[in-house]
Amino acid sequence: DTGVSQNPRHKITKRGQNVTFRCDPISEHNRLYWYRQTLGQGPEFLTYFQNEAQLEKSRLLSDRFSAERPKGSFSTLEIQRTEQGDSAMYLCASSYDPNSPLHFGNGTRLTVT
Amino acid sequence: EDQVTQSPEALRLQEGESSSLNCSYTVSGLRGLFWYRQDPGKGPEFLFTLYSAGEEKEKERLKATLTKKESFLHITAPKPEDSATYLCAVQAWGNAGNMLTFGGGTRLMVKP
Repeated sequence: DTGVSQNPRHKITKRGQNVTFRCDPISEHNRLYWYRQTLGQGPEFLTYFQNEAQLEKSRLLSDRFSAERPKGSFSTLEIQRTEQGDSAMYLCASSYDPNSPLHFGNGTRLTVT
Repeated sequence: EDQVTQSPEALRLQEGESSSLNCSYTVSGLRGLFWYRQDPGKGPEFLFTLYSAGEEKEKERLKATLTKKESFLHITAPKPEDSATYLCAVQAWGNAGNMLTFGGGTRLMVKP
């Protein structure tokens, strides 16, 4: 069990550029979540996958955000036309079943200049 | 809408000085209440899950308790390595994805 892996750890981009983050969940976990965390706040839910199906999306997830989980394995989160307000830590988590706790990766810190 | 409020926002303790962190919540139907620890620059690390009022869980110097409206994280004789942000989160029934709603966290600093 190598834990949830996220890449890159840090990303600096200019406003208007597109960025993509990757998450590799714990191998036997079929549930995968994306959260966003700003400084001094708790994580906020963005979206959830069960296997390859995206089953839930937050109102926070504007149409500039898109997430995929092809073949139910790794997931990507893409932000198009980044804005300064997108600067945050993007956390990925996975769980085995509804009764298991979420296990988080160490996140990707995005800075939009 | 599920809500979680944690207090205090920050807490400074001397090594060995016991204290409690509070997590107040409103949720349509509580499936579980979770405590996580988060170190700077890292993701949250799971500590405990509590399911029903009256339940208690312990791990080393930490003990979590649950009532119908709040949860406490008691820290007994803390050490500097206990310094971190402690996050509380709730999971509601009828929530297909078992998503967690987090509070803002309590930043704990333990001085030697």
